[in-house]
Amino acid sequence: GAVVSQHPSWVICKSGTSVKIECRSLDFQATTMFWYRQFPKQSLMLMATSNEGSKATYEQGVEKDKFLINHASLTLSTLTVTSAHPEDSSFYICSAHLAGPRIAYEQYFGPGTRLTVT
Amino acid sequence: DAKTTQPNSMESNEEEPVHLPCNHSTISGTDYIHWYRQLPSQGPEYVIHGLTSNVNNRMASLAIAEDRKSSTLILHRATLRDAAVYYCILPVSSNTGKLIFGQGTTLQVKP
Repeated sequence: GAVVSQHPSWVICKSGTSVKIECRSLDFQATTMFWYRQFPKQSLMLMATSNEGSKATYEQGVEKDKFLINHASLTLSTLTVTSAHPEDSSFYICSAHLAGPRIAYEQYFGPGTRLTVT
Repeated sequence: DAKTTQPNSMESNEEEPVHLPCNHSTISGTDYIHWYRQLPSQGPEYVIHGLTSNVNNRMASLAIAEDRKSSTLILHRATLRDAAVYYCILPVSSNTGKLIFGQGTTLQVKP
């Protein structure tokens, strides 16, 4: 099956620093990737849609200058949390959409990255 | 966007079947019904999807009402590893695969 990886799986950083999270599709090409965040005991919240070679589309209320998304290749998207603050501490999850007439509706998720800002 | 409604939580005994309901009364004719599940501290995983007919795969079965306003995910024999949050989702856009997650149903499986 399609595999999506994330790196790092967890990270602790100091307030004011930036953190980069990588999302890779390991065995397929993904023109579209998605970034979600999840607070404890809550559902996933879609942050943005990342399209290869173009600017990301952010959901309402998500600061694009704070959450920088780059989708430089068909297998890699990165999320950079800039000037992180404790309230940015969360579980960040990426996913990739595997397009095609038979499996156009399946989305594959990474294992998530736990970010703790101290 | 079409909305789904699921019970917050359900309990099941191990080795017994589980029926997880989902209401989606505002579904449109072209909306596929998707189910994903999320185990603790992991990313969600795809379970099954369907349009009109009932669907089966190695993980589960999906029963879709004739009017498509509701569906039921069926786990034929629950195991402890099936304890997870189950999400019933109607994609925002079939072209992009964009998914909006609701609160889902937390399934507890008792030994």
